[in-house]
Amino acid sequence: GAVVSQHPSWVICKSGTSVKIECRSLDFQATTMFWYRQFPKQSLMLMATSNEGSKATYEQGVEKDKFLINHASLTLSTLTVTSAHPEDSSFYICSARDPGLAGVSSYNEQFFGPGTRLTVL
Amino acid sequence: GNSVTQMEGPVTLSEEAFLTINCTYTATGYPSLFWYVQYPGEGLQLLLKATKADDKGSNKGFEATYRKETTSFHLEKGSVQVSDSAVYFCALKPGAAGNKLTFGGGTRVLVKP
Repeated sequence: GAVVSQHPSWVICKSGTSVKIECRSLDFQATTMFWYRQFPKQSLMLMATSNEGSKATYEQGVEKDKFLINHASLTLSTLTVTSAHPEDSSFYICSARDPGLAGVSSYNEQFFGPGTRLTVL
Repeated sequence: GNSVTQMEGPVTLSEEAFLTINCTYTATGYPSLFWYVQYPGEGLQLLLKATKADDKGSNKGFEATYRKETTSFHLEKGSVQVSDSAVYFCALKPGAAGNKLTFGGGTRVLVKP
């Protein structure tokens, strides 16, 4: 199946600094990527939908100036947590939609990255 | 709006026991339904899916049938292994062209030897 990678897998930073997380689709081109946030022992919360070459669409309640998303190419989307604070500590997961070919089993399916654990001290 | 409700865990089982995780949904139209599994410290992996009523998704011994009349997509496995210990998420995606996944709260399953 399609592979999505995230980098870094974990990061620890000081309060007030910015952290960039990369999400890459390794063997397919993803026009759409998604960023989720997962709190301990909770479900995934969709933060934003990232479309290649255009502005991201943020879900209600997510600060777009706090969580900057850039989808500069068909295989890379980045999430930058700006001026991070301890309450931003979380597990961030991206997914990429495989536009593929209609009729192929992976058509329009989302493939998830392994996640990035952010700890803000 | 769309929503997914699944049974709260944790569910603790002995090896070779039968596993059922209930999942019900609310959605307009004809959503696609999914089960994802998350192993400790990892992202989500698609376990199985069904795209229309009465479809049965199956993978690795797990099965779930899309029941439109009861708006359910319960996950079952006849004989669990220790390696099945994980968190399982039920999810839906609206229609054939919809993009956004809506997840249930997740059910943690612990299988003891």
